Amino acid sequence: AQSVTQLDSHVSVSEGTPVLLRCNYSSSYSPSLFWYVQHPNKGLQLLLKYTSAATLVKGINGFEAEFKKSETSFHLTKPSAHMSDAAEYFCVVSKGDYKLSFGAGTTVTVRA
Amino acid sequence: GAVVSQHPSWVICKSGTSVKIECRSLDFQATTMFWYRQFPKQSLMLMATSNEGSKATYEQGVEKDKFLINHASLTLSTLTVTSAHPEDSSFYICSARRLAGEITDTQYFGPGTRLTVL
Repeated sequence: AQSVTQLDSHVSVSEGTPVLLRCNYSSSYSPSLFWYVQHPNKGLQLLLKYTSAATLVKGINGFEAEFKKSETSFHLTKPSAHMSDAAEYFCVVSKGDYKLSFGAGTTVTVRA
Repeated sequence: GAVVSQHPSWVICKSGTSVKIECRSLDFQATTMFWYRQFPKQSLMLMATSNEGSKATYEQGVEKDKFLINHASLTLSTLTVTSAHPEDSSFYICSARRLAGEITDTQYFGPGTRLTVL
């Protein structure tokens, strides 16, 4: 079965410092992996997706993620956090049949 | 492009009544739509897959008679919560998979509907 584990339930960073959100996946085949962001009272927005092309995936708003098969990881990073990055982030894996399995989520707070 | 809307954005109803939530893909056609449920401070749980022109498929543990899904066109799916009870109060989110132009499993999400059952 395909699943993801987000290793941090809450991450707090200072504005202008790097952000790292960790995600490990479990999949019996080469997975499709995604990161979504959910701002309060707003819909989920796709940040980036991995589809077995380049292992380093660049997304919107300066985010990127690296697929590491040897570590079964797909960590999300951003070099410099902005106040607007405060939100809930979900690591997601495709389960097949176009179904998605969501991680538990990581809440990001950004300190001024 | 790839905008998905939901209506209503929030609804309050009395216990025992039914509530219908609409999910529309505004600028693309979607043969497949998905319905999720999200409890406060928790992740999204897939409830069912809505297929245009055929019956929905439900995830294990989801009552199909409780959560009626209709996917009447390539741009509209509806979720009806029948005989709602307070434990059905939740955030319901839909997503849509584009009919063409996608080689991956990208889903586009609606903004969600907050249901409160009194």
